[in-house]
Amino acid sequence: QVQLQESGPGLVKPSETLSLTCTVSDGSISGYYWSWIRQSPGKGLEWIGFVYYTGSTNYNPSLKSRVTISVDTSKNQFSLRLNSVTAADTAVYHCARRGSTSSPDGAYFYYGMDVWGQGTTVTVSS
Amino acid sequence: QSALTQPRSVSGSAGQSVTISCTGTSIDVGGYDYVSWYQHHPGKAPKLIIYDVTNRPSGVPDRFSGSKSGKTASLTISGLQAEDEADYYCCSYAGTYLYLVFGGGTRLTV
Repeated sequence: QVQLQESGPGLVKPSETLSLTCTVSDGSISGYYWSWIRQSPGKGLEWIGFVYYTGSTNYNPSLKSRVTISVDTSKNQFSLRLNSVTAADTAVYHCARRGSTSSPDGAYFYYGMDVWGQGTTVTVSS
Repeated sequence: QSALTQPRSVSGSAGQSVTISCTGTSIDVGGYDYVSWYQHHPGKAPKLIIYDVTNRPSGVPDRFSGSKSGKTASLTISGLQAEDEADYYCCSYAGTYLYLVFGGGTRLTV
C-alpha cells in the first residue's frame, strides 16, 4: 500500500516562503495526480492544488498567485511552495493522491483523494 | 466560510443511523456527480469513504452510503459504532476554475 510522508520546516516567518515535500513510498509517483490540502486551526479542509506526474498543475484560485506545486519523479517526491506567507497560512498541511480505478478505456481518475499523509504542522510566526 | 455547507455536529446512538448533509450550488454539488466524503479522526490522516456521490473504495464498510438530490449531497452511516465518532467532510468538483471545494466539516458524536 502506497504511503505518503510530508516533510519540511515547522516554523516559517511572515513574508517568507513555505516549502514542503511529500515522499511517496511503496509505490510509484508516475501515472497519478498528487495534491496538497491544508487545515487551518479550528477550520475545515482547503484544497491547495494538484500536480500530475508529468508536471501539469491545477491550483485553488484563492492561492494561485502564491503557490507552486512541482514533481520530481526521480526522487518519487512532489513539493509545495507558498510565497509571502502570513499567519493565515498556519495550518496542518497534508499531501494526498487523487484516486483512480481501472476502466476499459484505461485509468479513471475520480475527484477524491484515496491516500493521505498524516500531515505536518506549519506555523507562521516571527 | 467554506464553499459547501455542512451541519457543525450530529449525534446518534450505537446501532442507529445518521445522515450528514452537504449543500452547495449549481456550480459544484448541483452541477456534477463528483462528490466525495472523508472521515477524519483528529491527528490522523483523513480517510476517503465515498467518491463520485455513491461509490465506496475497497475496504469501506457498506454501512457508509452516499446520495445526492439537486444541490445537496448526503452521507448516511447506518449501524453506528463507537469508532465512527470523527469529523466528516464533503468535497465537490466545482468546474475548471474553482476545481475542488470542501465543506466545513461535521463532528459526529456516537
